[in-house]
Amino acid sequence: EPEVTQTPSHQVTQMGQEVILRCVPISNHLYFYWYRQILGQKVEFLVSFYNNEISEKSEIFDDQFSVERPDGSNFTLKIRSTKLEDSAMYFCASTQTNTFSVYYEQYFGPGTRLTVT
Amino acid sequence: GENVEQHPSTLSVQEGDSAVIKCTYSDSASNYFPWYKQELGKRPQLIIDIRSNVGEKKDQRIAVTLNKTAKHFSLHITETQPEDSAVYFCAAVKGTGGFKTIFGAGTRLFVKA
Repeated sequence: EPEVTQTPSHQVTQMGQEVILRCVPISNHLYFYWYRQILGQKVEFLVSFYNNEISEKSEIFDDQFSVERPDGSNFTLKIRSTKLEDSAMYFCASTQTNTFSVYYEQYFGPGTRLTVT
Repeated sequence: GENVEQHPSTLSVQEGDSAVIKCTYSDSASNYFPWYKQELGKRPQLIIDIRSNVGEKKDQRIAVTLNKTAKHFSLHITETQPEDSAVYFCAAVKGTGGFKTIFGAGTRLFVKA
């Protein structure tokens, strides 16, 4: 069964550094998402992306964050200048959709644990 | 803003008993309600979902009910087993635009053997 993949599984960075988290969504999926989960807390929506542009974003997704689909398979989340409070698990997800039907089920990747020191 | 409240935060049951987790959402535009099970250090796994045009859905030992008027939805697990122990999250999805998903705070379920 196809799966969403994410790299790296764990990223350690120093405060103020830029990080790029990478995701490969399922190949026929067209909606992509990033979520964040601080240890022991709930999953928080960051952004959704469709047709090469942001569809929705939360108040967490400020100017420090950006997303990109640099090629036909990857979907990235960039944090420009990391802060200690950015330490969390970041999940990518994707959803299949087409012109005639809306599929809601989101398939989650295994996550990237980001540690900012 | 949009919010999903989830109760209880912790639930401990004896093996074989039923477990019920309740959620309330605030955004009337939400029309899809998934439930996820998350084990420690793992990704959320969808266990059941319901759309707003349906009041109830069942899949073996798991059922979900939705009261759209009251903006309540609930997860019911019957005949609980120790392997059901995990954190369960409800979520509400606005099915227009960018499918913004708001999660509840989670319920830690312990099933005692």
